[in-house]
Amino acid sequence: KNEVEQSPQNLTAQEGEFITINCSYSVGISALHWLQQHPGGGIVSLFMLSSGKKKHGRLIATINIQEKHSSLHITASHPRDSAVYICADSWLTFGEGTQLTVNP
Amino acid sequence: EAQVTQNPRYLITVTGKKLTVTCSQNMNHEYMSWYRQDPGLGLRQIYYSMNVEVTDKGDVPEGYKVSRKEKRNFPLILESPSPNQTSLYFCASSLFSSGSRGETQYFGPGTRLLVL
Repeated sequence: KNEVEQSPQNLTAQEGEFITINCSYSVGISALHWLQQHPGGGIVSLFMLSSGKKKHGRLIATINIQEKHSSLHITASHPRDSAVYICADSWLTFGEGTQLTVNP
Repeated sequence: EAQVTQNPRYLITVTGKKLTVTCSQNMNHEYMSWYRQDPGLGLRQIYYSMNVEVTDKGDVPEGYKVSRKEKRNFPLILESPSPNQTSLYFCASSLFSSGSRGETQYFGPGTRLLVL
């Protein structure tokens, strides 16, 4: 069973800052998911990636298959980005999540 | 609108009183699953279904049952709920099974369950 670990567990930033959340896993995978959980509890899928980099607006996700590592970057962070960010391997073993708070 | 719906959204019950949480998707997805989310433990899979009449245990199936009689519905049944089943539950679906295809999962809004 894959071990999926995220860091940091909690992250507080000021509006406008560049944010990085990291995810590492122990067993090789074919794809990695990044999810966002809103303060109200709802979960949405942000990215699914198997190599390289994907970008959606201010969000960028990268993955290094050889190093078993992925990062989620948020540029020009905004208070509305405050949420829990979760990574999951292709078999849906989830990390514990990173609680992000962006202060105005 | 493509969506996964769950009902009820909130439920308070007592130990031993059977309950069912419904889940329905309108995207003709083959794969459906149930998760529970607990503080410090993250999301854990309870049961999943690859297609109609095909279900299998996830990581934490004890105390739960599921059925998949129709493609769109995947109810979660707690025959005799206990306080340790107090949790936030999510249903999810994807076009095909996760794994090598790495399909995007669509999540329901969640059901907050409190068992007294």
